[in-house]
Amino acid sequence: QKEVEQNSGPLSVPEGAIASLNCTYSDRGSQSFFWYRQYSGKSPELIMFIYSNGDKEDGRFTAQLNKASQYVSLLIRDSQPSDSATYLCAVNPLPSGGYNKLIFGAGTRLAVHP
Amino acid sequence: ETGVTQSPTHLIKTRGQQVTLRCSSQSGHNTVSWYQQALGQGPQFIFQYYREEENGRGNFPPRFSGLQFPNYSSELNVNALELDDSALYLCASSQTRDRGKETQYFGPGTRLLVL
Repeated sequence: QKEVEQNSGPLSVPEGAIASLNCTYSDRGSQSFFWYRQYSGKSPELIMFIYSNGDKEDGRFTAQLNKASQYVSLLIRDSQPSDSATYLCAVNPLPSGGYNKLIFGAGTRLAVHP
Repeated sequence: ETGVTQSPTHLIKTRGQQVTLRCSSQSGHNTVSWYQQALGQGPQFIFQYYREEENGRGNFPPRFSGLQFPNYSSELNVNALELDDSALYLCASSQTRDRGKETQYFGPGTRLLVL
């Protein structure tokens, strides 16, 4: 079983719609969760982070975390063509040896069409 | 822009050669992590440096090594390059404060091609 799983997509949504991106993780002790956006040929850019169960909103983005179900999602409201990118879910598992690392999913490709 | 810089941006090497990649962390950050991202995959953790020492390592062989300098900048060295080492190498900068809540910011990456 992969540690962090995402649907590879592409997820195609019309402009102005809500895009819903999902991620599951295997380490129940994971402490923090991140969403990065990666445009083709570029490096990952931090969008959101969430530590506690529930929702966290930042502008058009909402991150949702359910630790009991080991599930984290990202909602993008009023999707724009400029949101078209690969979205990477990253999990910081329970620190071992006193360091933090990120475990990434393979990413979900989002395509927003006009 | 995150303030994390990497050099060079692109590099072409042949099998068996050695390569050194460089990273300058964001101002105020004391920790550097290195990741390898193969095409179509998510980044994979190579190792992390904190206080000039390797603080943790992923599933990479010893020919991947690194350094961190007093100004928190870092180098990634790869010896005996293999074709599979072709990837985007990402440096991430962070401030180690709260365990488990550290946020990592990525540099632009170095794209390495091994022929």
